[in-house]
Amino acid sequence: ETGVTQSPTHLIKTRGQQVTLRCSSQSGHNTVSWYQQALGQGPQFIFQYYREEENGRGNFPPRFSGLQFPNYSSELNVNALELDDSALYLCASSTSGGRETQYFGPGTRLLVL
Amino acid sequence: QKEVEQNSGPLSVPEGAIASLNCTYSDRGSQSFFWYRQYSGKSPELIMSIYSNGDKEDGRFTAQLNKASQYVSLLIRDSQPSDSATYLCAGNFGNEKLTFGTGTRLTIIP
Repeated sequence: ETGVTQSPTHLIKTRGQQVTLRCSSQSGHNTVSWYQQALGQGPQFIFQYYREEENGRGNFPPRFSGLQFPNYSSELNVNALELDDSALYLCASSTSGGRETQYFGPGTRLLVL
Repeated sequence: QKEVEQNSGPLSVPEGAIASLNCTYSDRGSQSFFWYRQYSGKSPELIMSIYSNGDKEDGRFTAQLNKASQYVSLLIRDSQPSDSATYLCAGNFGNEKLTFGTGTRLTIIP
């Protein structure tokens, strides 16, 4: 177990709705990175939060947003859901802005109908 | 151009044999590499990290890094059925993110 937790584990939404996913980082870690993993693909970097600030963003539209709280837990928000947003959403916990080893939580499986 | 490439497989190896997984990369920035194992429906689990040229061994696993040739490999000795999974190669090229390959599906045949 990595000590990284995510909620919920599964979620079903319809197109156009909004969703919030949550992640609690491992004790002592100040960095949370979010990844999207489509079926049969490797995880794709969405963005990272380091000490409550966004510290890099991948090629995802602005309807993907997030924040990090003072206890270093984090949220990923997705607005105006599209069918292609169906995926496994992973958060990874680390130190030093993500340059060290990243440890993944169990993921949230999102299905958009 | 994809920065990290893996043969998607599937790769089938008899139980007890050596499984060899390979990964190539194109970025020449500061590099560290990670091998993750992912069982179906689960999240990636760290197997090995490697930062410098050469071999790094941990139990039945050996990671190899060759920066001049831009490849990373993972050897699994004495393969067990429980090693059947998708193996993800990931690189950190001096920034905040991990760049993943598409993964290689490994099946150990009893």
